[in-house]
Amino acid sequence: QVQLQQSGAELAKPGSSVKISCKASGYTFTSYYISWIKQTTGQGLEYIGYINTGSGGTNYNEKFKGKATLTVDKSSSTAFMQLSSLTPDDSAVYYCAREDVYYGLLPGYVMDAWGQGASVTVSS
Amino acid sequence: DTVLTQSPALAVSPGERVTISCRASESVSTLMHWYQQKPGQQPTLLIYLASNLESGVPARFSGSGSGTDFTLTIDPVEADDTATYYCQQSWNDPRTFGGGTKLELK
Repeated sequence: QVQLQQSGAELAKPGSSVKISCKASGYTFTSYYISWIKQTTGQGLEYIGYINTGSGGTNYNEKFKGKATLTVDKSSSTAFMQLSSLTPDDSAVYYCAREDVYYGLLPGYVMDAWGQGASVTVSS
Repeated sequence: DTVLTQSPALAVSPGERVTISCRASESVSTLMHWYQQKPGQQPTLLIYLASNLESGVPARFSGSGSGTDFTLTIDPVEADDTATYYCQQSWNDPRTFGGGTKLELK
């Protein structure tokens, strides 16, 4: 079955960086995009961006350009997100999700499987 | 960005029918999807492309709408449906989520 296994909780200091991993199994990794989503109590769910796991091409929400960097390692079927110059506002749970093209009246990308989430806490 | 507006919370009794609404600030055609998130868990896909039931999701769940107004219906509601429900659009860039509707059972 499709599984996305994320790395564990991170405690980081302001100004530092963290790198979260998302290891995929149960499907052909390079056939689907991986998206990243931020969840906070105050802001709800925010879309960070996606990476084309086959080509390595990326698309970022403008809000997260310069903050998040998405990469993949095809050999291990793992996607990564690095968050840089951390501030307390970056404290959140971060999810990875597989995106597949679904077909209805129009085709559209849908997040059909999610990782369990990785908690990042930024504190001095 | 496309803003998706949902009512914050609803309370219903088991066996009743509940509708959860999502209004978009601009048209998203039919590229609207619904997710369920239970406390401490990741979201899971319920409905895709406005009205299509994801495999394995009970037929008690249904979706409708197009353009700017969308609805998720649960009929009948069961105790296990206690969760927060999010709409999400993938028509406009960036993809955006609604603020979520917390469903509580009386």
